Amino acid sequence: GAVVSQHPSWVICKSGTSVKIECRSLDFQATTMFWYRQFPKQSLMLMATSNEGSKATYEQGVEKDKFLINHASLTLSTLTVTSAHPEDSSFYICSARDLAGGPEETQYFGPGTRLLVL
Amino acid sequence: AQKITQTQPGMFVQEKEAVTLDCTYDTSDPSYGLFWYKQPSSGEMIFLIYQGSYDQQNATEGRYSLNFQKARKSANLVISASQLGDSAMYFCAMRELYGGSQGNLIFGKGTKLSVKP
Repeated sequence: GAVVSQHPSWVICKSGTSVKIECRSLDFQATTMFWYRQFPKQSLMLMATSNEGSKATYEQGVEKDKFLINHASLTLSTLTVTSAHPEDSSFYICSARDLAGGPEETQYFGPGTRLLVL
Repeated sequence: AQKITQTQPGMFVQEKEAVTLDCTYDTSDPSYGLFWYKQPSSGEMIFLIYQGSYDQQNATEGRYSLNFQKARKSANLVISASQLGDSAMYFCAMRELYGGSQGNLIFGKGTKLSVKP
């Protein structure tokens, strides 16, 4: 299957700093990427949908000024957690679809990034 | 609105036996896709199997098969010959195929499968 990478896999930062997470589709072009957040022992919660060359679409309750998403190319989307606080500590996962595969194309996930804000 | 329900928070199965993980869904869209993902403790989401709403036959991928009962709106995952490495969280998910939602997946709450030696 298609490969999606995510970097970094782990990040520990101080409260008030900003953290950038990168999501790359390695062997396909992804016009749409998705960012999820997962708390321990819970399901994935969609944060936003990222479209190449346009503004991201945020889910209700997700602060767009807090979680900045940029999808500058067909293979790269970034999520920046601005002024991170301990409550932002979570597991962040991105995913991407190869739209050339049609509407039934599988959505592939990155390995995730564990963020711990002290 | 779309909804995925997984009623089994946790399941145990003996190694080498088969196990069925339940998933029911709700949607008003006639065109949809159903997915199962495995999430081991490392956190990565591993795609297992896909079933389209118009597919006539149940999907199979190696030891994984999907018991698709459209009228009952269920899409249960069957794992045959369980292995210790199958211990993980399993998520059922659904997506509209032609809707305006940009195709994001709706996930169930997951089932934690534990395989006993």
